[in-house]
Amino acid sequence: DAGVIQSPRHEVTEMGQEVTLRCKPISGHNSLFWYRQTMMRGLELLIYFNNNVPIDDSGMPEDRFSAKMPNASFSTLKIQPSEPRDSAVYFCASSRTGTGLGNEQFFGPGTRLTVL
Amino acid sequence: AQSVAQPEDQVNVAEGNPLTVKCTYSVSGNPYLFWYVQYPNRGLQFLLKYITGDNLVKGSYGFEAEFNKSQTSFHLKKPSALVSDSALYFCAVRDKDNFNKFYFGSGTKLNVKP
Repeated sequence: DAGVIQSPRHEVTEMGQEVTLRCKPISGHNSLFWYRQTMMRGLELLIYFNNNVPIDDSGMPEDRFSAKMPNASFSTLKIQPSEPRDSAVYFCASSRTGTGLGNEQFFGPGTRLTVL
Repeated sequence: AQSVAQPEDQVNVAEGNPLTVKCTYSVSGNPYLFWYVQYPNRGLQFLLKYITGDNLVKGSYGFEAEFNKSQTSFHLKKPSALVSDSALYFCAVRDKDNFNKFYFGSGTKLNVKP
């Protein structure tokens, strides 16, 4: 298995531009998570999906952030418009979930976003 | 609410010495507990987990963790540290009531010196 795939690996953009981050979870996994990591705030959960449905988006910082999961093998995290304070590493993770399962999350390599 | 705490921002240990990275948790009911490691410029990698059964859990790279229900702790241990173990370590708990959600600790940076 190729693991969780994220693209792009690096993104440099200017303030005000739209940014789209992409994630392909591991085949067979039914939960998907988006995290943001910064030195100041550590690892933050932004949103997670179960069976393609958003379950909890309370971690999304503001309306500029949106996430979609149109099918079981693809998700996007969009920032529009982007701001310098959005600069961070964004991770996608997936897992299998269900009653009685204590399955771990598998993380992608991350997208390092720099907003100038 | 479920939560984990990692009381040490950084742990320093000499190569060959035993290491411990601390984690305490707060959950309702029986916890699902996890340890992850993050090397520079990489994603988090799963090390080990406690679901049920034996309180001593063995994982990757010679790491183990001990679940202690009375102390609500899940400390990560290794008998003999390697320089290559230097990384950022995260403890996490899975919310059984909200089965999908993980709560991660703030992370502990482990420095192993030659």
